[in-house]
Amino acid sequence: DIQMTQSPSSLSASVGDRVTITCRASQSIRSYLNWYQQKPGKAPKLLIYGASSLQSGVPSRFSGSGSGTDFTLTISSLQPEDFATYYCQQSYSTRTFGQGIKVEIQ
Amino acid sequence: QVQLQESGPGLVKPSQTLSLTCTVSGGSISSGGYYWSWIRQHPGKGLEWIGYISYSGSTYYNPSLKSRVTISVDTSKNQFSLKLSSVTAADTAVYYCARETHGSGTGSAFDIWGQGTMVTVSS
Repeated sequence: DIQMTQSPSSLSASVGDRVTITCRASQSIRSYLNWYQQKPGKAPKLLIYGASSLQSGVPSRFSGSGSGTDFTLTISSLQPEDFATYYCQQSYSTRTFGQGIKVEIQ
Repeated sequence: QVQLQESGPGLVKPSQTLSLTCTVSGGSISSGGYYWSWIRQHPGKGLEWIGYISYSGSTYYNPSLKSRVTISVDTSKNQFSLKLSSVTAADTAVYYCARETHGSGTGSAFDIWGQGTMVTVSS
């Protein structure tokens, strides 16, 4: 299986901050990388697909970049509703997710 | 719009078979370009993909669970189902059904999810 590793291990930030989360694949996955947001007790929500395409209805402060093995999710100006856990996921082969990064209030 | 809803027992005894159904509403499960997936999340942990089925019945399972998993589809009821055999406490999790949509050159992504259903394995 392709292993997906997210960093940092934890993240505390304030409203208005620019936040960047990194995801690294154990082998090249081209641009077959998606990002999800999950809030407590809720199902994950698709934010970014194909590494950089914004899912319909997702605010433009979310953006994604990268290809091959290294990817980033950026929130340009953190809003109160953005405090959540973020997962990356590859669709290149047997689907696997990163371990998740919880964005907490500083 | 398309919605997914999981249903099934919330409690399963060890060694028995876990059975869940996902009902698709607002659209046809027979529409092309989609895979219908099961994903689980152990309490307080990350996400694990279990497998998917197409409307035509082709399946792809996570190798780590393949020996115990069966996913089937009933197009007449607009439903797909999960069976996981020989369960243990390690199978206790929230189980989600999800639609996986294929893009053009962008891979695929889980764009619609059910709300999830908690299944506990205990005697």
